[in-house]
Amino acid sequence: DTAVSQTPKYLVTQMGNDKSIKCEQNLGHDTMYWYKQDSKKFLKIMFSYNNKELIINETVPNRFSPKSPDKAHLNLHINSLELGDSAVYFCASSQDGGQGPEAFFGQGTRLTVV
Amino acid sequence: AQKITQTQPGMFVQEKEAVTLDCTYDTSDQSYGLFWYKQPSSGEMIFLIYQGSYDEQNATEGRYSLNFQKARKSANLVISASQLGDSAMYFCERRSGNTGKLIFGQGTTLQVKP
Repeated sequence: DTAVSQTPKYLVTQMGNDKSIKCEQNLGHDTMYWYKQDSKKFLKIMFSYNNKELIINETVPNRFSPKSPDKAHLNLHINSLELGDSAVYFCASSQDGGQGPEAFFGQGTRLTVV
Repeated sequence: AQKITQTQPGMFVQEKEAVTLDCTYDTSDQSYGLFWYKQPSSGEMIFLIYQGSYDEQNATEGRYSLNFQKARKSANLVISASQLGDSAMYFCERRSGNTGKLIFGQGTTLQVKP
């Protein structure tokens, strides 16, 4: 009964490949996020989706594209992977209001580009 | 640019003692939220405590409390009666109530000594 689940947990791939990371939440939240945590542990927001609309799009390369087929899913697709894309990617969801604004995180996907 | 600062890269505390982790932020928003998350060595992100900018009382959650000083733009996390399991990295986050934009501090690594 994981609240926010992302797959795969580990992903090793070669430069130039295209890959996707899937995220699903069963909390009924309206907003989902993708974060990147680099090797120095810095956390940075990449995307935020609210009711299937992109509301924050930080300055990330357009090789990264979030795709939300429905409110419960926000997948991250990455084209032409580069060495610098190696990081841990976290998916999260939240809902402002009575249920609390805190974000619930997935377990993270460690992406290694070789 | 609006930013959030955690000035302590690493902290040590003796088991059963209290510890304060610093967080200062820069914002022009009237409405915003402040969050603390814990990231143990296993990598998951765990929500600890939330403070709204309009909340007059400091937030408390069990052994965690937030020392919110709005005029000084600080939101320090206080952990009372430290336990060995508190050893982790701690992140402060600010979220704009107007734009939804959010930003993390660079994190503080806490080590609890037996």
